[in-house]
Amino acid sequence: DVKVTQSSRYLVKRTGEKVFLECVQDMDHENMFWYRQDPGLGLRLIYFSYDVKMKEKGDIPEGYSVSREKKERFSLILESASTNQTSMYLCASSLPGGTQPQHFGDGTRLSIL
Amino acid sequence: LAKTTQPISMDSYEGQEVNITCSHNNIATNDYITWYQQFPSQGPRFIIQGYKTKVTNEVASLFIPADRKSSTLSLPRVSLSDTAVYYCLVGDRVRSGGYNKLIFGAGTRLAVHP
Repeated sequence: DVKVTQSSRYLVKRTGEKVFLECVQDMDHENMFWYRQDPGLGLRLIYFSYDVKMKEKGDIPEGYSVSREKKERFSLILESASTNQTSMYLCASSLPGGTQPQHFGDGTRLSIL
Repeated sequence: LAKTTQPISMDSYEGQEVNITCSHNNIATNDYITWYQQFPSQGPRFIIQGYKTKVTNEVASLFIPADRKSSTLSLPRVSLSDTAVYYCLVGDRVRSGGYNKLIFGAGTRLAVHP
């Protein structure tokens, strides 16, 4: 089974802090994704990476950056955390191809105080 | 991207078959239909995917009529552990990198009662 592991289940940070969310997958997938999930808004794509050091902006990239130095690891960075970034963050991975299902981690619930 | 419409919530009882229907009137020729399941405090989990007619796996069946404007997820003999949110998505092939851009709506909250 594909395993997507997110480093923290719960995280509390303060406004203005630089926050790192880590994600590791063990299936050698080329594609990796970061989403945030908010009540009433569904899942929204923040960033997507289709190869090491390659990234593309999703629908809501403002206030975020990403890093993919190794194939199995995809990091989401909140450069200067704000309260409106309090959310559930989900990482996913998939093989390339338009029909390949995405495999999700269990999420990180991030609270910015 | 094709928009999907599905019921907000459904109730069922243990042992019953549950059918969740999703409408996607603007589905494109190359689009696939995919269903995910999400439990509280977990990420979505892929259940089943299809293009037309019927697809079955060990968890569910997916029925897609010839016009592909709707699809029905069928869960046989549900148990309490099937209580979750079920999302219907219509996949759009994005050329860059070749990935399936997923648009999750509100989903259908299925509650299974004893």
